[in-house]
Amino acid sequence: DIVMTQSPDSLAVSLGERATINCRSSQSVFYSPDKKNYLAWFQQKPGQPPKLLIYWASARESGVPDRFSGSGSGTDFTLTISSLQAEDVAVYFCQQYYSSLLTFGGGTKVEIK
Amino acid sequence: QLQLQESGPGLVKPSETLSLTCTVSGGSISSNNYFWGWIRQPPGKGLEWIGSINYSGRTSYNPSLKSRVTISVDTSKSQFSLKLRSVTAADTAVYLCARHLERNSGFYYYFDSWGQGTLVTVSS
Repeated sequence: DIVMTQSPDSLAVSLGERATINCRSSQSVFYSPDKKNYLAWFQQKPGQPPKLLIYWASARESGVPDRFSGSGSGTDFTLTISSLQAEDVAVYFCQQYYSSLLTFGGGTKVEIK
Repeated sequence: QLQLQESGPGLVKPSETLSLTCTVSGGSISSNNYFWGWIRQPPGKGLEWIGSINYSGRTSYNPSLKSRVTISVDTSKSQFSLKLRSVTAADTAVYLCARHLERNSGFYYYFDSWGQGTLVTVSS
C-alpha cells in the first residue's frame, strides 16, 4: 500500500494569510511515461461531501478559486491557500491514484485564528 | 449536475451484514470508463477506499476488505450497492459513495463527485 501522511493535523491561520498543508507518500506517485504525479487534493466542509480541488498534483479543478494551488513531485506535495477566506474553513485531504489500491491522507483541519 | 446519495440503515448489529445503496442522478451510471466507488471514514480517522464497480459489474476491491465485501450495480435504477458481512465495531464509519474514471484495467483516477455520506454504527 502507498501510505499517505499529511501534516499538520490541524492549523489555524488568520484571515488573508497563507495556509500550507503537506502530504507525503510512502513511495513515489510520479509516473515517468506521462510525467505526471498521480495525486489529488480535496476539501470537505462540515456536513458537505468532499470537493475535488486539485488533480495531477497541480491542476486546479474548474471553478476552484485561484487562491488554491498544488505543488510538489514524487513523494512530497503541498496544498497552499494563498489568502485564507472564512469559507475555506474545512478539512483538506490528499489522495494518490498511482496504485490500484487507492489511498488517502488522514486530513488536515484548517481553522481561522 | 451529477448527484450521489447514500441510503441504508444507520445501525447494524455485530456479526450481521451492512447494506447500503448509492443512487446516482443528474448523469448516467452507464457512462463508459466511469467506476462507482465506496469509501468509508471511521470516527476521527482517515478515508479508506472499500471498492468500486462499473456499469457492467466489473469490480475492484481493497484487499483488506475483499473477503467481506460485495459491490453490485443496478443500472435500471441508477444504483450501486455495498454489502459488508460479519461487521464489528471497527466497521462503524461514515460511508460515502463517489465516482471516478478508470485509466486502464484495475487502475483508476481521482474521485470527482461524492455523496454526502451516511453514518453506520455497529452496535448491539
